Amino acid sequence: DTAVSQTPKYLVTQMGNDKSIKCEQNLGHDTMYWYKQDSKKFLKIMFSYNNKELIINETVPNRFSPKSPDKAHLNLHINSLELGDSAVYFCASSQGRLAGSKETQYFGPGTRLLVL
Amino acid sequence: SQQGEEDPQALSIQEGENATMNCSYKTSINNLQWYRQNSGRGLVHLILIRSNEREKHSGRLRVTLDTSKKSSSLLITASRAADTASYFCATDDGYSGGGADGLTFGKGTHLIIQP
Repeated sequence: DTAVSQTPKYLVTQMGNDKSIKCEQNLGHDTMYWYKQDSKKFLKIMFSYNNKELIINETVPNRFSPKSPDKAHLNLHINSLELGDSAVYFCASSQGRLAGSKETQYFGPGTRLLVL
Repeated sequence: SQQGEEDPQALSIQEGENATMNCSYKTSINNLQWYRQNSGRGLVHLILIRSNEREKHSGRLRVTLDTSKKSSSLLITASRAADTASYFCATDDGYSGGGADGLTFGKGTHLIIQP
């Protein structure tokens, strides 16, 4: 009965590889997000997507690309992985905007990526 | 510049005591939210306070918001060992130029409850 799920939970790979992380939400939410949490636990938004609009944080390298096959899924593709990409990646979803403000976000369990 | 700075970075108290964490932010906001993260897990939403609210309660949690000082506090009363976790404040500052439309998180306060 998981609300937001991610796979895989752990991902260990070599530098230069291409990998994907999948995210699914069964909450019927309109908006999904990807966040990156670094080794110091700092969380930073990477993308937000609401099936009409993709908003990209300008600091995210274009090696990262979100892909949404449908409203309940937002997958993260990473090309040419680098050592600095090692982090925990969290998917999240929210209902969207209510009266102009973002509402509660529901987070997945995270994917721990280690690039060797 | 970073939005949402929690203070202190780490806090260790005895079970049963109250724990207070503070958060400061820099821009105007629509709302401020507090999340908890247990070690190795995802974030769990605790409470949301809107910019026109000053105080909110949820069980043993009490959140205050002072928009004139751009600060918020989270009080956990009668702490329990299970409250041990990292606590993050997150701000909804609307669409920010060049930034993705997500919440802006602080670095968190790591709370340890000693049994």
